Amino acid sequence: GAGVSQTPSNKVTEKGKYVELRCDPISGHTALYWYRQSLGQGPEFLIYFQGTGAADDSGLPNDRFFAVRPEGSVSTLKIQRTERGDSAVYLCASSPRGPSYNEQFFGPGTRLTVL
Amino acid sequence: ILNVEQSPQSLHVQEGDSTNFTCSFPSSNFYALHWYRWETAKSPEALFVMTLNGDEKKKGRISATLNTKEGYSYLYIKGSQPEDSATYLCAHATTHNAGNMLTFGGGTRLMVKP
Repeated sequence: GAGVSQTPSNKVTEKGKYVELRCDPISGHTALYWYRQSLGQGPEFLIYFQGTGAADDSGLPNDRFFAVRPEGSVSTLKIQRTERGDSAVYLCASSPRGPSYNEQFFGPGTRLTVL
Repeated sequence: ILNVEQSPQSLHVQEGDSTNFTCSFPSSNFYALHWYRWETAKSPEALFVMTLNGDEKKKGRISATLNTKEGYSYLYIKGSQPEDSATYLCAHATTHNAGNMLTFGGGTRLMVKP
């Protein structure tokens, strides 16, 4: 079956611009997660959705970052006034339900480069 | 241990060598320990989810052990092949968030030379 997909795969933008990153989870998965991997580090948690609501957004670095999941499926991560430090690989994952021990199924990521 | 740490950061081995890596994590409030394999330009692939102290799991030539009391897990690869070349990530989940927030280590990058 189809896995988690993310678009675009690569995004280059200029400092100060607005970007949107999209995640399509595995069909039927109720939990959705966003992580960010900066160069040389492991992925860092950003936000977790259970259905349409953000159950935990403690990892969002500041108010320039916002994520939505209006129908409980596709999610969009929005970054306003991008900064060079936002350059990273943004990973999305989904799991059948949460909380559980289930592994999180990851997409291939969106590589964001802010010039 | 306050964070999740992996060692070594990178490893070069010859085809056929066996190898192992370490993941260290805080032992308090343990919920689960995940291992992932991440090949360049692909999605991280789940290898194991481990929850019980003393757990040992195996998938083909890859196996893992877990010690929750002392806060470490080992990943072993027997007879490494070039296709095993990837970054191996471990991720720790705590009871604070019922396992919904994974804290990742920095990864071990394995390169297997033919």
